[in-house]
Parts: sequence; C-alpha cells; structure tokens
Amino acid sequence: DTAVSQTPKYLVTQMGNDKSIKCEQNLGHDTMYWYKQDSKKFLKIMFSYNNKELIINETVPNRFSPKSPDKAHLNLHINSLELGDSAVYFCASSQRLAGGGNTGELFFGEGSRLTVL
Amino acid sequence: GENVEQHPSTLSVQEGDSAVIKCTYSDSASNYFPWYKQELGKRPQLIIDIRSNVGEKKDQRIAVTLNKTAKHFSLHITETQPEDSAVYFCAGAGGTSYGKLTFGQGTILTVHP
Repeated sequence: DTAVSQTPKYLVTQMGNDKSIKCEQNLGHDTMYWYKQDSKKFLKIMFSYNNKELIINETVPNRFSPKSPDKAHLNLHINSLELGDSAVYFCASSQRLAGGGNTGELFFGEGSRLTVL
Repeated sequence: GENVEQHPSTLSVQEGDSAVIKCTYSDSASNYFPWYKQELGKRPQLIIDIRSNVGEKKDQRIAVTLNKTAKHFSLHITETQPEDSAVYFCAGAGGTSYGKLTFGQGTILTVHP
C-alpha cells in the first residue's frame, strides 16, 4: 500500500541518453515535488507542482522537464544526460504547501538512483 | 530566498548520551521548521517540526527548540540508541520561501553501542 511510489528504483545509462522517472502518489495530496540528493547527501528542490500547475522551478538545466498529467502523477524527463546528473532523485508529495499555517509535511518516495557512465 | 545552515556535518556519540544538531536560517519571515531523518538507503521521514509561534516542542526522546530572534533552531535527542544512527536534516519554509522547504546540509549521526 505504497503512498508515494517511483520507478525505476535504479537507472544506469550512458552520457547523452534520455531517460524518464515516474512518480505516483495515492495520498490525495495536491502538491508534488522532485528533489535531487547528491553524493554529499544534500537535498535540493528542483520542481514543485500544485494541482498540475508548476509553482516552483529552481535553477535547473533545461534538459530537465517535469510533467504532471494529473495531480497524482509527476514525471521527470532528462535529456542528454551528463555525468553530473548522477544522483538519487526523490519524488515527494504534501497535502499543503509548507509555510504559513500549513505543516506541508513531505512524504517521499523511495528514490531513484541514477548513474550516468 | 531562504538559506539554512546546519552543524555539525558529522556527530558521533555513545549509546545513552545526548545529541544536539543546530541550524540557522536567513529569512526572518520563515515560520515552519521541520526535521527529517534519513536512514541508510531509505527515504527521508519527518520526525518532528515546530512553528514560529512556539519556542519548544517535545516528542518522547526528541525535542526541538526555536530562537526566532537569533534565527536558529536545534534538535535534541536524549538517551540515544544505535537505531538513532542516520542522517538528520533541518529545513525551513514560509515567508519568501512559502511552499518550498529549504533543507540544511545534513548531519550524519552515529551512535556507538
């Protein structure tokens, strides 16, 4: 009964390839996110969608393109993969946006470990 | 936007000791400060949080304190156990970072039996 699920869990690919990671949440949350965790464990937000609308777009190369077909799904497509893209990518969802009177608790998926050779 | 600094980056304690992790934030308008725990190879999970209208919050062996004037908050774990070993992240949100959690760099806590 997984709350936030993402696939694939592991992805090994060559430089220059294009790959996608899919994410689905069954919590009924309105907001979904992509976070990148590098080798030093630093968690950095990439994108956030609220009811299918892009609301946060950090300084991320154009090669990264998120897509939200509905509020339960948020996919991440990466073009022309580079060595520096190797990381663990976490999808997350929250019922509310963090801040103000909201807790904005993030529920993370298990992560997708991307290795670019 | 918000900037969250976390110290120390690594912390090693003996079982039964206390552990303290400290964070500072830059945006005085931030008003929500959660702490996440990430065990090796697992996903981050919320363990405790605090809002800016509260100075301290406790949940069994863990507590968080907030000093809004100094813009810093801390996680306190008492009677540490080996299963407390993990990476701990502080985060801040609200104000100019409404809707976005900005994480600190993480602290690797190791509890030795």
